[in-house]
Amino acid sequence: KQEVTQIPAALSVPEGENLVLNCSFTDSAIYNLQWFRQDPGKGLTSLLLIQSSQREQTSGRLNASLDKSSGRSTLYIAASQPGDSATYLCAYYPHSGNTPLVFGKGTRLSVIA
Amino acid sequence: KAGVTQTPRYLIKTRGQQVTLSCSPISGHRSVSWYQQTPGQGLQFLFEYFSETQRNKGNFPGRFSGRQFSNSRSEMNVSTLELGDSALYLCASSTDPDTEAFFGQGTRLTVV
Repeated sequence: KQEVTQIPAALSVPEGENLVLNCSFTDSAIYNLQWFRQDPGKGLTSLLLIQSSQREQTSGRLNASLDKSSGRSTLYIAASQPGDSATYLCAYYPHSGNTPLVFGKGTRLSVIA
Repeated sequence: KAGVTQTPRYLIKTRGQQVTLSCSPISGHRSVSWYQQTPGQGLQFLFEYFSETQRNKGNFPGRFSGRQFSNSRSEMNVSTLELGDSALYLCASSTDPDTEAFFGQGTRLTVV
């Protein structure tokens, strides 16, 4: 069964802290993995895409890594800011193909000023 | 470059009515997917279209249907609305299946 688990479900940190969000999946044969952010009542914003041949991607203060052998991906946020407060979702395309994105339920992040 | 556009943004309907939601993908994107998001269930996949063909379908009743036009724009239709259909409906587009997905702002449907 294809499943994504994101721990913790919610996280509250003071501004300026570096933090790590975790994503684990049961399917070892994954294709691309994508991290999204969602603000309340809004759509999803793509943050980073890790393609099948890559192990990590960086964009500004964000760094995402992928370890297929252990079934884990992490999203590292450096020097967190109140504007980073949102729900962060991890999703992957199974390698079997012809299958839509498999989503986790997300981690709700609050950065306190 | 314009993003994914969903219309309308908000909708209030009565039980038993039907509704049509629209999604215009990013220019050049041929794949469109639809998701339903509720607080309890998270994101649930509805369907995926690629070059006007339904490529995948989620586990939703036949009241939920969709289509894609030759210009890649997509519509989804829900007939005989139920209270439980109240949700945020999200559309995503990508150049091809299994590539980076970009989402619209969603349509908030409330069934009363």
